[in-house]
Amino acid sequence: QVQLQESGPGLVRPSETLSLTCTVSGDSVSSYYWNWIRQSPGKGLEWIGYIHYSGITNYNPSLKSRVAMSVDTSKNQLSLKLTSVTTADTAVYYCAASYYNWFDFWGQGSMVTVSS
Amino acid sequence: EIVMTQSPATLSVSPGERATLSCRASQSVYSNLAWYQQKPGQAPRLLIYGASTRATGIPARFSGSGSGIEFTLTFSSLQSEDFAIYYCQQYNNWPYTFGQGTKLETK
Repeated sequence: QVQLQESGPGLVRPSETLSLTCTVSGDSVSSYYWNWIRQSPGKGLEWIGYIHYSGITNYNPSLKSRVAMSVDTSKNQLSLKLTSVTTADTAVYYCAASYYNWFDFWGQGSMVTVSS
Repeated sequence: EIVMTQSPATLSVSPGERATLSCRASQSVYSNLAWYQQKPGQAPRLLIYGASTRATGIPARFSGSGSGIEFTLTFSSLQSEDFAIYYCQQYNNWPYTFGQGTKLETK
């Protein structure tokens, strides 16, 4: 069974770029679509977007102008970049694997606080 | 964007009892609906997809039903480990969206 582990800075300054990595083990990154989902007290669970190892991406329109996802097949890692962050981007960020359109496996989550 | 509305926000039930949670979509999502369970400090866990198909390893006491705009998640007999927050998610349209959750608590 695939296992996911998010990592990255827990604190990001406003207007800077949030960068997270998700390390995949137990399976290849070519086996699934890879999603990023965030959870905040104010907005609940919010799907950020997905990437396929082929490079196909699909982003939530509400975040599309600020989001970039990538896959490193040699390291079995995914990455998320979110630019120009504000306090509204404070959340727990999850990576999640989907074979179809639901989320089969989730990482434990990475808490990111946006604050000066 | 499709808005998912769950009810009630909190449901108090005794162990061993039956419980039903509801999820309504702002437009039809056919059977493209999943349910997740989340416990404190943990990530959500997939329970149901296709509105009624249990994910691997999910006990038979969990059952999902519905199509179109109305869906339910039913517990035939609540176990202590079932008290958690439950979310529905539609995947019929992008962006995928979640309900705000129903907290199932011990009465």
